[in-house]
Amino acid sequence: EAEVAQSPRYKITEKSQAVAFWCDPISGHATLYWYRQILGQGPELLVQFQDESVVDDSQLPKDRFSAERLKGVDSTLKIQPAELGDSAMYLCASSLPIGVRGQETQYFGPGTRLLVL
Amino acid sequence: AQSVAQPEDQVNVAEGNPLTVKCTYSVSGNPYLFWYVQYPNRGLQFLLKYITGDNLVKGSYGFEAEFNKSQTSFHLKKPSALVSDSALYFCAVRAPRAGNNRKLIWGLGTSLAVNP
Repeated sequence: EAEVAQSPRYKITEKSQAVAFWCDPISGHATLYWYRQILGQGPELLVQFQDESVVDDSQLPKDRFSAERLKGVDSTLKIQPAELGDSAMYLCASSLPIGVRGQETQYFGPGTRLLVL
Repeated sequence: AQSVAQPEDQVNVAEGNPLTVKCTYSVSGNPYLFWYVQYPNRGLQFLLKYITGDNLVKGSYGFEAEFNKSQTSFHLKKPSALVSDSALYFCAVRAPRAGNNRKLIWGLGTSLAVNP
């Protein structure tokens, strides 16, 4: 069964350093999402892509976070500089294109656990 | 404003007993409703969804959920709990006519503990 791939699984960094996370969605999934999940809370959407275009990045802290999906397939989320409060699980999800049966369901990767020291 | 409430932070149940994890929502129109499960240090796994049709939805691992429009609820149920069901459960909702924006509104999660 196809899965969303994410790397690395764990990342420890010092504050003010740059970090990057990678996500490869399920093949054929046009929509890609990045979420942040703080321990004990639900996921918070950071950015949603439709192919290579950003649909929603209203909750992305743009002064330090950036996301790209240049070819409309895999995606990178970057934080520069990292702050202590960025420690969280970063989840990537994908879903089928609009109009395709089942397009409303998001499938999640295993996540990247970030610890900022 | 759209919202999801999971009124119980934790649910404890004995193995073999039925379990219920509660979810209520507030959204305009007919909602899309979802349940996901998360094991420690893992991503979220899709369990089931309600889009339209039969109010009782069956999903993975023997779970089911009932959509109740009058009570705006979508409680997750399982007839006989297993110790391996112990995990964090999230309810999520989305307004149906959202165009390209498919933002899900998430509950805070309910921790389910199944005791042997």
